[in-house]
Amino acid sequence: KAGVTQTPRYLIKTRGQQVTLSCSPISGHRSVSWYQQTPGQGLQFLFEYFSETQRNKGNFPGRFSGRQFSNSRSEMNVSTLELGDSALYLCASSLISVNTGELFFGEGSRLTVL
Amino acid sequence: AQKVTQAQTEISVVEKEDVTLDCVYETRDTTYYLFWYKQPPSGELVFLIRRNSFDEQNEISGRYSWNFQKSTSSFNFTITASQVVDSAVYFCALSGPTGANSKLTFGKGITLSVRP
Repeated sequence: KAGVTQTPRYLIKTRGQQVTLSCSPISGHRSVSWYQQTPGQGLQFLFEYFSETQRNKGNFPGRFSGRQFSNSRSEMNVSTLELGDSALYLCASSLISVNTGELFFGEGSRLTVL
Repeated sequence: AQKVTQAQTEISVVEKEDVTLDCVYETRDTTYYLFWYKQPPSGELVFLIRRNSFDEQNEISGRYSWNFQKSTSSFNFTITASQVVDSAVYFCALSGPTGANSKLTFGKGITLSVRP
């Protein structure tokens, strides 16, 4: 079956702009979670959505937001981009939640902020 | 607060050597879950194992084995007879049961290089 699909794979933005990243989970998976990966901070949890509701949120400013649609597809948005937002953004899906079983990760969206 | 420490940052071994990746965690939850994920050079994280806090039985899967010790808050991962394809970044992660603690907390990762 198809894996987790993230789009776009690469993007370049300038400071102050906003960006929207998309994630299509594996069919039947209702939990979608997002992570930021940087060389300095490593892998950090952003948020998790289940049935269109945000279930949990990491320690990120309000500029980072997300949503989930009725078909479980999810988007995350970063507004007023800063240089430090340059990172690989990973999406993962699972049947129920991040801690009940295997997480399936996408290949990520690499964001560069200039 | 939850915390995962992977003190080793980079390990280099020669093929066929055994290697152990260390993971130490901190949590106040009595129920929690521990994970190992592998990130090969291609970038996509791959699930290796999930263990709940009530199951201290060690697990072996082929060349991989995991040693969970609650007394030392450790969940170490051993690769026996390492192969070049094992070269990757390995992450240990921790999650609480529900609510605010159910989010995943990752360690910084260990870069393993296996030389032929």
